[in-house]
Amino acid sequence: DGGITQSPKYLFRKEGQNVTLSCEQNLNHDAMYWYRQDPGQGLRLIYYSQIVNDFQKGDIAEGYSVSREKKESFPLTVTSAQKNPTAFYLCASSIEPYEQYFGPGTRLTVT
Amino acid sequence: AQSVTQPDIHITVSEGASLELRCNYSYGATPYLFWYVQSPGQGLQLLLKYFSGDTLVQGIKGFEAEFKRSQSSFNLRKPSVHWSDAAEYFCAVAPRDYQKVTFGTGTKLQVIP
Repeated sequence: DGGITQSPKYLFRKEGQNVTLSCEQNLNHDAMYWYRQDPGQGLRLIYYSQIVNDFQKGDIAEGYSVSREKKESFPLTVTSAQKNPTAFYLCASSIEPYEQYFGPGTRLTVT
Repeated sequence: AQSVTQPDIHITVSEGASLELRCNYSYGATPYLFWYVQSPGQGLQLLLKYFSGDTLVQGIKGFEAEFKRSQSSFNLRKPSVHWSDAAEYFCAVAPRDYQKVTFGTGTKLQVIP
């Protein structure tokens, strides 16, 4: 079955450590996205990529980094510069403009 | 500034009752419009979308939405709610010349027996 996988589902880190969240898709979609979800704030765009080896900052890119070396993969690194990293992170992909397919999410807790 | 508003944070309905979730947007021109549903701890699933044409669009799970240009609204409806519809619902909009999607803050639906 085609879809988007995110791993791990739950992730715990100590403050000051970088952490990388995985996102893989086998839908052959060109575009991929990372969102952050906090209670009562909806989804906020962190980074997006429309093609391999190219990506753009979203609304809240500070403290995050990404790479897009393969069409199927779009990992997100939460760096120690992110002041409030505890959140639910969602990855999405799309082949047509705008219609996005989402992964199951990773809940990151930093203490 | 462009924005999308879901005025209801939380809605409770009885099973079998009808449902309407509100969504209003503020854009320079008619954007693309979407409704997504999210079960607790899960990703989002697309319910329906409006690009052009008929202003009443049908989606999955018995949902429909109506685009009203004069009111800048795209409200989601269901004639008879089932307990399994309890979830959080997000309205989303995107301008036609750009791929970035803006999501509303969501409406949590509780269904009571």
